[in-house]
Amino acid sequence: SQQGEEDPQALSIQEGENATMNCSYKTSINNLQWYRQNSGRGLVHLILIRSNEREKHSGRLRVTLDTSKKSSSLLITASRAADTASYFCATDRGYSTLTFGKGTMLLVSP
Amino acid sequence: NAGVMQNPRHLVRRRGQEARLRCSPMKGHSHVYWYRQLPEEGLKFMVYLQKENIIDESGMPKERFSAEFPKEGPSILRIQQVVRGDSAAYFCASSPYRDTEAFFGQGTRLTVV
Repeated sequence: SQQGEEDPQALSIQEGENATMNCSYKTSINNLQWYRQNSGRGLVHLILIRSNEREKHSGRLRVTLDTSKKSSSLLITASRAADTASYFCATDRGYSTLTFGKGTMLLVSP
Repeated sequence: NAGVMQNPRHLVRRRGQEARLRCSPMKGHSHVYWYRQLPEEGLKFMVYLQKENIIDESGMPKERFSAEFPKEGPSILRIQQVVRGDSAAYFCASSPYRDTEAFFGQGTRLTVV
């Protein structure tokens, strides 16, 4: 299986609820990044967390990184319908070339 | 500062034709990356270029695919003699330095008929 596997594959929640997505990877990394992709569109960079960091916040987003378990999580608090998208984690192998997982499809219902 | 610009947004080619995909990185970015996304899949790295040089092409198919990033002008991903399996979304990303976030374009959706 590829580096950067997201879990769950799909997540359906109501507006106002929190959404948590997890990512596991296999090899050592320089950094791990989370991206959002709306249907049929390009990727939007959400957050980058380096291998020596454990937690990072950006607005309603909170990312954690556990290098001992080779895992990361993305938490979106107080979700909105506009958060509906696919979310990908990507690990940096070096030179900023990224290895993506298959993504988590998040559906936020009004 | 315009974002990463890719064109065309949609490209239809018949089997056996050539496809040329263009990517203009963000101003000041000298690192360009190409990724391919098959339906219902994540993005797969293809090639990493820095002005006039191919740094890493480990994700490029050995035949029919080539990429360049000339001193002047956009980066080009070229697919010769396209087959149906080449149908995918091709994304370009750029960054100002290594080990920083990459900014993605809107992609080119290639359909081979």
